[in-house]
Amino acid sequence: EAQVTQNPRYLITVTGKKLTVTCSQNMNHEYMSWYRQDPGLGLRQIYYSMNVEVTDKGDVPEGYKVSRKEKRNFPLILESPSPNQTSLYFCASSSGVSSYNEQFFGPGTRLTVL
Amino acid sequence: AQKITQTQPGMFVQEKEAVTLDCTYDTSDQSYGLFWYKQPSSGEMIFLIYQGSYDEQNATEGRYSLNFQKARKSANLVISASQLGDSAMYFCAMREGGAQKLVFGQGTRLTINP
Repeated sequence: EAQVTQNPRYLITVTGKKLTVTCSQNMNHEYMSWYRQDPGLGLRQIYYSMNVEVTDKGDVPEGYKVSRKEKRNFPLILESPSPNQTSLYFCASSSGVSSYNEQFFGPGTRLTVL
Repeated sequence: AQKITQTQPGMFVQEKEAVTLDCTYDTSDQSYGLFWYKQPSSGEMIFLIYQGSYDEQNATEGRYSLNFQKARKSANLVISASQLGDSAMYFCAMREGGAQKLVFGQGTRLTINP
């Protein structure tokens, strides 16, 4: 089954404790992206990757890191989480960047930083 | 700059009625795609329907149709014969050709009453 998976699905942590949210897709997509969702703001892009070893900042990259060492994986790293990073996070992938390329979303990771 | 506006924070509709969710967009590109996603309380993003800027016909997918008015820059989602399971948050999103991201609206929370 074609899918994007994320782990963990739920995470409660404390300020400053490094964490990684994993994302993996099995569709051989070149393009992957991370979004965060906050009430009243919709989804906003954090980082994206056009291919292996190619990453770039989205609209809200502060406090996050990413890496793309393999085509299928695109982990999101919070080196020193803060309470304002409490949010719902989505990983997405697509086969291209044309206007018609649908983005496939993972199930989401609900993060709470105390 | 790309922008999506959903002016209805919440809507309440009786079961079996049709419902229209509003979406207006702003772009200077000629090539773009418009997407609607459904987010139930479980949190996942479910793709509903897509409309390309060059498509002459309005998109339809089962009970979902997209009322695309290019000159007015609107892309309203119409759900016919609403069901209790349609209760969810709905997001309108746009992708310009070659763009690295989807731009999302703030969302509309739809509640279907029995």
